[in-house]
Amino acid sequence: DSGVTQTPKHLITATGQRVTLRCSPRSGDLSVYWYQQSLDQGLQFLIQYYNGEERAKGNILERFSAQQFPDLHSELNLSSLELGDSALYFCASSVVNGNTIYFGEGSWLTVV
Amino acid sequence: DQQVKQNSPSLSVQEGRISILNCDYTNSMFDYFLWYKKYPAEGPTFLISISSIKDKNEDGRFTVFLNKSAKHLSLHIVPSQPGDSAVYFCAASSASGSARQLTFGSGTQLTVLP
Repeated sequence: DSGVTQTPKHLITATGQRVTLRCSPRSGDLSVYWYQQSLDQGLQFLIQYYNGEERAKGNILERFSAQQFPDLHSELNLSSLELGDSALYFCASSVVNGNTIYFGEGSWLTVV
Repeated sequence: DQQVKQNSPSLSVQEGRISILNCDYTNSMFDYFLWYKKYPAEGPTFLISISSIKDKNEDGRFTVFLNKSAKHLSLHIVPSQPGDSAVYFCAASSASGSARQLTFGSGTQLTVLP
């Protein structure tokens, strides 16, 4: 158990819909990261937050957005969903800008 | 442009033998390297790391070697056990201003045969 908690674990939704994925980082970690893993793909970095502020942006679509709240939990919002958005979405956290990040178990999103 | 490459999508090894997983990178600004292990339907688990000031780091059955001149790192698992069967991702990190982010390779599926 890495200490990073993600909900929901599984989600099935229709195209065009909007979903929110939630992440609670490890106790004491200020940085939260979101990654996407599609079928046969590696881990694609989406976005990083540090203590409530966006710190770095990767290959995140404009239809996707994220935020980190004062209690340090984070949410990833995915809107106007397409079939190709079906993937495992991982949250990870680290101490400040730690070199090592710790992953949650992921949220499996299926768009039908 | 893939900055971190794992050219072998899969590797099979007999139990008890050595597993060697390889990773190449192109960005000379990377200064910290990590290996993660991932079982199906689970999140990646941190395994071992190495700073660019070192060329070797060992933790039990796992050893990571870094060859900076060749921009190559490898993970050795000795002896390999069936429970080591998983996807192994290498990752590299560099500082970008005040942020650090990891760039992952595409992973190598290791199968340890009993």
